[in-house]
Order: sequence, then C-alpha cells, then structure tokens
Amino acid sequence: GAVVSQHPSRVICKSGTSVKIECRSLDFQATTMFWYRQFPKQSLMLMATSNEGSKATYEQGVEKDKFLINHASLTLSTLTVTSAHPEDSSFYICSAYTGVTEAFFGQGTRLTVV
Amino acid sequence: AQSVTQLGSHVSVSEGALVLLRCNYSSSVPPYLFWYVQYPNQGLQLLLKYTSAATLVKGINGFEAEFKKSETSFHLTKPSAHMSDAAEYFCAVSEGGNEKLTFGTGTRLTIIP
Repeated sequence: GAVVSQHPSRVICKSGTSVKIECRSLDFQATTMFWYRQFPKQSLMLMATSNEGSKATYEQGVEKDKFLINHASLTLSTLTVTSAHPEDSSFYICSAYTGVTEAFFGQGTRLTVV
Repeated sequence: AQSVTQLGSHVSVSEGALVLLRCNYSSSVPPYLFWYVQYPNQGLQLLLKYTSAATLVKGINGFEAEFKKSETSFHLTKPSAHMSDAAEYFCAVSEGGNEKLTFGTGTRLTIIP
C-alpha cells in the first residue's frame, strides 16, 4: 500500500515556541491532505483540509493563525503549531488522498508542550 | 451533515470468540463507510471500506463488515479473536467519498487469553 511518512513521531517543546510537523506521501502524489487532532482517549477531529498550491480550509473552531498549514507540493504538507501552549499537547495525524482511491494515514506525531 | 456512533467504548472478548464492534451512521447522502484500527501511539490502518458496491465488505486480518441501510449500521465482525486484535477501532463516514472523514469515538478491544 501507499506510504505516508509523518515526522517527527514525538516532539517536546517549550511553551511559546513553534513546532513544525511534516507529512510526506512517499510513493504517490496527494492532491489533498487532511490534518486531524486526537485528544487522549478520544476520537480524531478534522482540523483542516489542504490542497496543493492553495490555502487550507479550516474546520470551525480551529484557529488558522495558530495552526499554519502549508501544502507546497503534491508530496508534502506541513502543520506548524505556533506559540504552542500546554493545551496544544495532543496527537496529530495527517492523511494523504490521491483523489482516486483511499486516504492513507501517517504514523502520527505526539506533541507535548511543557 | 454526517455523524458516527460507536456503541461501547470498551469491548472485551475471549481469544477465539466472536468479535462484534457496533457502528451506526447518519448521512444526508449515500455514505462511504470505513473501519480503521489504531495501535498505541501509531497512526490509523484501514481495515475495510464500503463504497456502495457489495454490502458485505471483507477486510484485512479476517475482519468484515456489513452495510445495512435500513438499520443505518456498519458493524465490524471477526469470527475468532486473536490476541493481536487488541487495539482501538474507529468507524468513520465520508460523504461522496472525498475522504474527509468523520470519526466515531472509538472502541477499545481487549482480548482475554
């Protein structure tokens, strides 16, 4: 199956700093990438949808200035958590979609803000 | 709007017993339905997907699910549980197959030796 690589898998950062998470489709081109957030012992909530070369579409309640998404190429999307605070600590997962078959998920990134 | 309800946040079955994880959905258009499995601190792996073809969908690892429109259900089953099936399972729905998924709250499956 297709592979989506998400990096880093774990990151710890200090409150007030920014963290960038990368999502790469390794063997296919993804016209669309999705970013989800998963709180402890809860389900995944869609944060935003990004299409290559255009601005991301954010779900209601998601601060676009805090969660910056860039989809610069058909194989790479990045999520930057700006001025992170402890409440941003969570598990972030991306998925990449070709527009034809299914979406493939990355391994996830566990962010801890201290 | 679409939604998914997973009944039972925790399910325990004995090794070798039948696994049944329940999922009911709501969708304003014919839905695409998914079951994913998540192991601790990992991403999601697709078990199976319903796309309006056969109502009984067979997936990986011996799992299958049946789409029942009249019951708006898409329950996941496996005839004989294995220890390696212990994980979190998520049911999800998308409208029109655009892969923008709405997830259920998940069911943690525990296998009793």
